[in-house]
Amino acid sequence: EVQLVESGGGLVQPGGSLRLSCAASGFTFDNSAMSWVRQAPGMGLEWVSTITDSGGSTYYADSVKGRFTISRDSSKNTLYLQMNSLRAEDTAVYYCAKLLNYWGQGTLVTVSS
Amino acid sequence: DIQMTQSPSSLSASVGDRVTITCRASQGISNYLAWFQQKPGKAPKSLIFAASSLQSGVSSKFSGSGSGTDFTLTISSLQPDDFATYYCLYYKSYPFTFGQGTRLEIK
Repeated sequence: EVQLVESGGGLVQPGGSLRLSCAASGFTFDNSAMSWVRQAPGMGLEWVSTITDSGGSTYYADSVKGRFTISRDSSKNTLYLQMNSLRAEDTAVYYCAKLLNYWGQGTLVTVSS
Repeated sequence: DIQMTQSPSSLSASVGDRVTITCRASQGISNYLAWFQQKPGKAPKSLIFAASSLQSGVSSKFSGSGSGTDFTLTISSLQPDDFATYYCLYYKSYPFTFGQGTRLEIK
């Protein structure tokens, strides 16, 4: 059974940092490009970032470029999203996904003072 | 960057109806188009990739078509479980872009 389990969300003050994790199982993580997608409350889906299967290339939405860093640890089958300089507009549910196949249930990040 | 314009933004239909949702790309994207279904409080579910290929395990009542700039998702014989929000996704090159979503409601 495929599972993507996100963790690390929570309440953080503007300007703060948070690291999200996504534990993957049930498929070949090493061969899979992985992504983060977010959804602000009551809004649509927004692609945030993708990392290639090797980890050699990373891509970001303009809205997070320079503040967020995606990474992966194949020895742990885990995807990460380091989020720095957080803003109120980063408040959203963050989904980990093998985009065209599997999605996690999401973790809520709230940026507020 | 590619913009994806999805229409309509909301749609009311009855059980048993057939509905069509459209996604238009701001420039040609070949067939790099996927469709997702999302129910309230749940993660999106992949329905279709490569514009018209059905994901494994997805009902054949869902079908996709199109290439270039214009794409459609058709859902036949609507059942109560099909009432949800649907999104298209462009994924040929970065940045990937989702459509704004279509909320399908029961009439």
